[in-house]
Amino acid sequence: ILNVEQSPQSLHVQEGDSTNFTCSFPSSNFYALHWYRWETAKSPEALFVMTLNGDEKKKGRISATLNTKEGYSYLYIKGSQPEDSATYLCAFGPYSSASKIIFGSGTRLSIRP
Amino acid sequence: NAGVTQTPKFRVLKTGQSMTLLCAQDMNHEYMYWYRQDPGMGLRLIHYSVGEGTTAKGEVPDGYNVSRLKKQNFLLGLESAAPSQTSVYFCASSYSATHGYTFGSGTRLTVV
Repeated sequence: ILNVEQSPQSLHVQEGDSTNFTCSFPSSNFYALHWYRWETAKSPEALFVMTLNGDEKKKGRISATLNTKEGYSYLYIKGSQPEDSATYLCAFGPYSSASKIIFGSGTRLSIRP
Repeated sequence: NAGVTQTPKFRVLKTGQSMTLLCAQDMNHEYMYWYRQDPGMGLRLIHYSVGEGTTAKGEVPDGYNVSRLKKQNFLLGLESAAPSQTSVYFCASSYSATHGYTFGSGTRLTVV
């Protein structure tokens, strides 16, 4: 059974602070790692898909890094804003069945004004 | 630019009733997926399709059937609904296994 772990489960930060959270996945059989933002009452929205060890992706104030050899990815948010409040999901795509990505349970981020 | 459209948005079923959830995408995506989302469980894959005419089982396929007769549509069927199938169902599509998924807005199903 492939396990995708996200930590922490929830996070409360002050507006303007920078924050980061972690996604851990099996280091063998890697194909792709996805990050999604999921706002309350909406559907998940794709942020990044990374496929190569050492990949770094950036979208505005949000960035992500990937270490496939040790099986983790970090998502960073610089200068948090209230609109960043959401659940952030990562999903691991194994090489043996790349179409069946496995989602973690997410990190719920709340920004205090 | 509709993206992924799910119908219906809400439904209440009695135990034993059947229904079909429809997912339609207008992005010419090959891959389509059905997930269920339950509190504390995250998104779990029910069935998926890698192209027109193909379907495959995901993590939790029991009690569900799917069909992909046209590339743009992916139907999820419940033949005999059970209370354990009360959930929020999300459809998604993607261009390939290394592209991000586009999700529909979800269907909230309650089985009483």
